Amino acid sequence: EVQLVQSGAEVKKPGESLKISCKGSGYSFTSYWIGWVRQMPGKGLEWMGIIYPGDSDTRYSPSFQGQVTISADKSISTAYLQWSSLKASDTAMYYCARQIVFGGYAIDYWGQGTLVTVSS
Amino acid sequence: QSVLTQPPSVSAAPGQKVTISCSGSSSNIGNNYVSWYQQLPGTAPKLLIYDNNKRPSGIPDRFSGSKSGTSATLGITGLQTGDEADYYCGTWDSSLSGNVVFGGGTKLTVL
Repeated sequence: EVQLVQSGAEVKKPGESLKISCKGSGYSFTSYWIGWVRQMPGKGLEWMGIIYPGDSDTRYSPSFQGQVTISADKSISTAYLQWSSLKASDTAMYYCARQIVFGGYAIDYWGQGTLVTVSS
Repeated sequence: QSVLTQPPSVSAAPGQKVTISCSGSSSNIGNNYVSWYQQLPGTAPKLLIYDNNKRPSGIPDRFSGSKSGTSATLGITGLQTGDEADYYCGTWDSSLSGNVVFGGGTKLTVL
């Protein structure tokens, strides 16, 4: 069974750094791209970017380029999303997802989400 | 403002049929496959339809998808109260440096 298990909820202050994780299991982690999707409170889905754990090839949405860093450690089947300096506007639910990178770039499996709250 | 346009809400009675539209352009829907996702309250999204009209294993045939030109449609027949959720369309957009884009979401209410 394919599973993406994300790290737990985080409460941070503006200016702090953060790295959240997503561990894949039940499939060949190095053979599929992993993406990250943001959902701000009460809002829709926003695609942030993807990484291919096999060689760490990474692509970002223009909206998130320079704002976050996506990485992966294939030895432990885990992808990461990190911020160097959080802002209140980063408060959101963040989903990792297994992404098919041809056709329409469908997302066939999703993590359970990590809620990030940034507040002073 | 989402790149793909969906109606904010639709509603229908149990047992009835509903359709949800998703409108885009030649840089996204017009030249790429469309996917649809269901997000039940408080849960992660779930893939319902991929490649315009294909259903993953386990998705009932009450859910269907179609595409024509720069628009796509999700159809749900035999509505159940458990279908109350937010529905999103998504696809690849080849403008600028390339990007996955989603619709703004449609809230389905089963009256």
